[in-house]
Amino acid sequence: AQTVTQSQPEMSVQEAETVTLSCTYDTSESDYYLFWYKQPPSRQMILVIRQEAYKQQNATENRFSVNFQKAAKSFSLKISDSQLGDAAMYFCASLLRYGGSQGNLIFGKGTKLSVKP
Amino acid sequence: KAGVTQTPRYLIKTRGQQVTLSCSPISGHRSVSWYQQTPGQGLQFLFEYFSETQRNKGNFPGRFSGRQFSNSRSEMNVSTLELGDSALYLCASSLGDAGGDEQYFGPGTRLTVT
Repeated sequence: AQTVTQSQPEMSVQEAETVTLSCTYDTSESDYYLFWYKQPPSRQMILVIRQEAYKQQNATENRFSVNFQKAAKSFSLKISDSQLGDAAMYFCASLLRYGGSQGNLIFGKGTKLSVKP
Repeated sequence: KAGVTQTPRYLIKTRGQQVTLSCSPISGHRSVSWYQQTPGQGLQFLFEYFSETQRNKGNFPGRFSGRQFSNSRSEMNVSTLELGDSALYLCASSLGDAGGDEQYFGPGTRLTVT
């Protein structure tokens, strides 16, 4: 069975600083995807970044980047130049690819990120 | 392009009643997935519909059901509500043609069962 673990229930960062959120996952499959989602107090889940397991290159989206270590089954999110608007719950998620099937997202428990001005 | 919409946004029901939630996906998206979010269990997958067919199902009792219409809009139904069904129900849409498509979430429906 797939599992996703986020070991940091809460994190805090100073505005303009860099923070890294940790995520580990477990799967016996070779074809899968990994995601980071952000859920602000409005509860709207927002896709932050996506990584395809077969790609060795780490994904980046502006201030957000990942460190994907496939052998270690680790998928951390780095937020650079943190802004007050980055404060939210961050969820790591995995998705198996079954041919053309969508599969389903397996989420970690989340990390609550606070940004201090 | 309009995002995923969910109606209603808030709902209060009594134990034993049934409820129907609606989700309209992003235009052009044919896959709709439903998730339940609770403080205790976190985010859990309910089911996924693609082209009016249930393609994937999570581990929820049969009281939870869904359907998808020809315009890709989806509804989720919960019968014989229990207190434990109180949750935020999120739907997500994606193109659905290939595995791994990004799923875009709606704002959710907050269901309270009393």
